Amino acid sequence: ETGVTQTPRHLVMGMTNKKSLKCEQHLGHNAMYWYKQSAKKPLELMFVYSLEERVENNSVPSRFSPECPNSSHLFLHLHTLQPEDSALYLCASSQELYRGATEAFFGQGTRLTVV
Amino acid sequence: AQKITQTQPGMFVQEKEAVTLDCTYDTSDQSYGLFWYKQPSSGEMIFLIYQGSYDEQNATEGRYSLNFQKARKSANLVISASQLGDSAMYFCAMREPNDYKLSFGAGTTVTVRA
Repeated sequence: ETGVTQTPRHLVMGMTNKKSLKCEQHLGHNAMYWYKQSAKKPLELMFVYSLEERVENNSVPSRFSPECPNSSHLFLHLHTLQPEDSALYLCASSQELYRGATEAFFGQGTRLTVV
Repeated sequence: AQKITQTQPGMFVQEKEAVTLDCTYDTSDQSYGLFWYKQPSSGEMIFLIYQGSYDEQNATEGRYSLNFQKARKSANLVISASQLGDSAMYFCAMREPNDYKLSFGAGTTVTVRA
């Protein structure tokens, strides 16, 4: 069972397009995250939400715009992206934000290609 | 500074054999959590096992065990009786106290041969 669902799974967009990535978690968790996974680089945390409030914007360019309308849904709005933004974008959720032993549950990711 | 180091970019293992994936970490905190995740080609990151810094026993979950050596700051993952479905990328991660993010290593690709 996949508790965290991401759509679309694959996305190809031009540099002038606007698109959105969607994440939905069915686990009743309070915290949600966006990570970026580029080739040959460790996962990079982009945004963190706790109870629908943004906790961190990790020096992410403004062409990435997150939205968390409720504790179950998280969006990443994309506009005027660059080819170097091509990556796997992973959404994750966890029960609470600061609890040390809490593992994060990840979705399957959206493979984004910017052309 | 890199908090998690995984020095093995790729490994091959024969089916039914055990494999050890190395992970060293860097922290000045006494309380922290260590995690291992599996990422198959489908992309999803699958949680495998957790070790708390104050846990006295090494964590085990089925065929996964964590060889935790606190003094050496290492948290190696051991996969016993490898299966073809174990072929994937494996990531070591750490969460420090009062921090909500997981710091990930670069990962190790495991390929299981029949």
